[in-house]
Amino acid sequence: NAGVTQTPKFRILKIGQSMTLQCAQDMNHNYMYWYRQDPGMGLKLIYYSVGAGITDKGEVPNGYNVSRSTTEDFPLRLELAAPSQTSVYFCASSPRDLYNEQFFGPGTRLTVL
Amino acid sequence: AQRVTQPEKLLSVFKGAPVELKCNYSYSGSPELFWYVQYSRQRLQLLLRHISRESIKGFTADLNKGETSFHLKKPFAQEEDSAMYYCALIHGRETSGSRLTFGEGTQLTVNP
Repeated sequence: NAGVTQTPKFRILKIGQSMTLQCAQDMNHNYMYWYRQDPGMGLKLIYYSVGAGITDKGEVPNGYNVSRSTTEDFPLRLELAAPSQTSVYFCASSPRDLYNEQFFGPGTRLTVL
Repeated sequence: AQRVTQPEKLLSVFKGAPVELKCNYSYSGSPELFWYVQYSRQRLQLLLRHISRESIKGFTADLNKGETSFHLKKPFAQEEDSAMYYCALIHGRETSGSRLTFGEGTQLTVNP
């Protein structure tokens, strides 16, 4: 199993550009999450999904959109990129209940200039 | 609202010394807490969860509801323990779906 995979690893965007960060998992997990990690700030939840077709906002959803058309994939869309979105983005998944482990992807380092 | 606080951003100890990484939480419900760890160039991964009352790699953590703390301890630190440690709290289970709130993290360095 590949676990949780994320693409791309690195990306530089210009202000106002858009992009989609890809996340996929092959563990048949129901729950998937997107976090951003800013230096010294820990991880902040952007969006999460409890199953295909169901998504909800986390702490910092502004400027982002998500979709969950399949169990495996959970892409994060940035519209009109801003310098404040410069961060490292992590995708994670877990089985039905969070008493179980949350598995993280390797991260995408995004810079908006 | 829930909150997790890790008061030390940086912690440095010598090999063989005891280490304690502090975590305090604020939550109106019954707390369920985890410690996650990120070693250099590796993914964030679960270290231990309080509900299991387990010891992983010599680390233990006890939930103290009176002090609202979940400090991570190890009696004898090793160089390979150097990493970023995050304390995390589950919430939302009863409503819209379980999710974690993370603390800001503590970078532990164990010196030889």
